[in-house]
Amino acid sequence: DADVTQTPRNRITKTGKRIMLECSQTKGHDRMYWYRQDPGLGLRLIYYSFDVKDINKGEISDGYSVSRQAQAKFSLSLESAIPNQTALYFCATSDYGTSGSYEQYFGPGTRLTVT
Amino acid sequence: KNQVEQSPQSLIILEGKNCTLQCNYTVSPFSNLRWYKQDTGRGPVSLTIMTFSENTKSNGRYTATLDADTKQSSLHITASQLSDSASYICVVSDQTGANNLFFGTGTRLTVIP
Repeated sequence: DADVTQTPRNRITKTGKRIMLECSQTKGHDRMYWYRQDPGLGLRLIYYSFDVKDINKGEISDGYSVSRQAQAKFSLSLESAIPNQTALYFCATSDYGTSGSYEQYFGPGTRLTVT
Repeated sequence: KNQVEQSPQSLIILEGKNCTLQCNYTVSPFSNLRWYKQDTGRGPVSLTIMTFSENTKSNGRYTATLDADTKQSSLHITASQLSDSASYICVVSDQTGANNLFFGTGTRLTVIP
């Protein structure tokens, strides 16, 4: 997962603050994704982008926005953070692999705490 | 409703022993099933991907099986090592593309010496 990096790795912020999580990849993939992971729940898709001009909402996009600045960069913003956005956030990229399907590669995650 | 359920939620085994993790799904139409390993504090890493026509796939000491008729999959770990301690996540994709992935909640495996 060194090919997909996320910054910051940990962040504590206060309710109402705006925060941006950044993701960069060196894999040359067109497709990028943002997920959140909560204890006892599976990963849930927030937003995804199939190329620089294509951005789509996922299952839980409310309260989030994204920016695809370049093929290699995909940022997630929380415009006004709230405590229930406390979670582990993962960026991922994908390409069409030898398995005959799109394989996803995850970053190391950002642990966000909203107080 | 498309769902992926895994069992058990957690498992503790002795080093060197084998174990099997289960995954049942209701995702339709089915495209492929993946098993990921997630170490604590890290992102998930793919172990295997199986399409409809594949009923078994191995990756070292990890062997995944798929029964598309019963919509069940298992991940068998042979001769467990301490480094196998992690969460194992079953993920099923439907045929609409990589954006439609359905994640299980994972099985937390702890291997003890």
